[in-house]
Amino acid sequence: GAVVSQHPSRVICKSGTSVKIECRSLDFQATTMFWYRQFPKKSLMLMATSNEGSKATYEQGVEKDKFLINHASLTLSTLTVTSAHPEDSSFYICSAKTLTDTQYFGPGTRLTVL
Amino acid sequence: KQEVTQIPAALSVPEGENLVLNCSFTDSAIYNLQWFRQDPGKGLTSLLLIQSSQREQTSGRLNASLDKSSGRSTLYIAASQPGDSATYLCAVPNSGGSNYKLTFGKGTLLTVNP
Repeated sequence: GAVVSQHPSRVICKSGTSVKIECRSLDFQATTMFWYRQFPKKSLMLMATSNEGSKATYEQGVEKDKFLINHASLTLSTLTVTSAHPEDSSFYICSAKTLTDTQYFGPGTRLTVL
Repeated sequence: KQEVTQIPAALSVPEGENLVLNCSFTDSAIYNLQWFRQDPGKGLTSLLLIQSSQREQTSGRLNASLDKSSGRSTLYIAASQPGDSATYLCAVPNSGGSNYKLTFGKGTLLTVNP
């Protein structure tokens, strides 16, 4: 099956710094990628939809200036958490959608903001 | 707004038992329904995808059924094994094409005891 990678898998940063998370589709091209956030024992919450070559579409309540998304190529989308605070600590998961609407998920990135 | 509910939230069974996980959704006009598995601290693995025109899908010991009219899906796991221990999530998309977004349930945490 298709493979989606995320880097880094785990990151610890100080409050106020910015963190970039990469999501790559390794063996297929994805015009659409999605970024999710998952709190402990909670389900995945969609943050934004990332479309190659255009601006991301953010879900209600998600600050676009805080969570910057760039989808510069058909295989790479990045999520940058700007001026991170402890409440941004979470598990961030990306997914990439094929032309047949199947989503393949990355392994996730654990962000801890001290 | 689509809402997805999964029951039970947690389930503990002895090895070898057959079990059923339940998923319900409020808007029956779904495009498809997908079952995922998530291991602790990991991303999601797609198990089964049922198109709206289908009644069920099978993969090995897993069988997923879909009843659109009643807004329900079940995931049947036969002869459970300790390696089946994980959180099982169901998800439905709001529509196809460029507006494709998944809404997830909160999951069922399954523990299979040896």
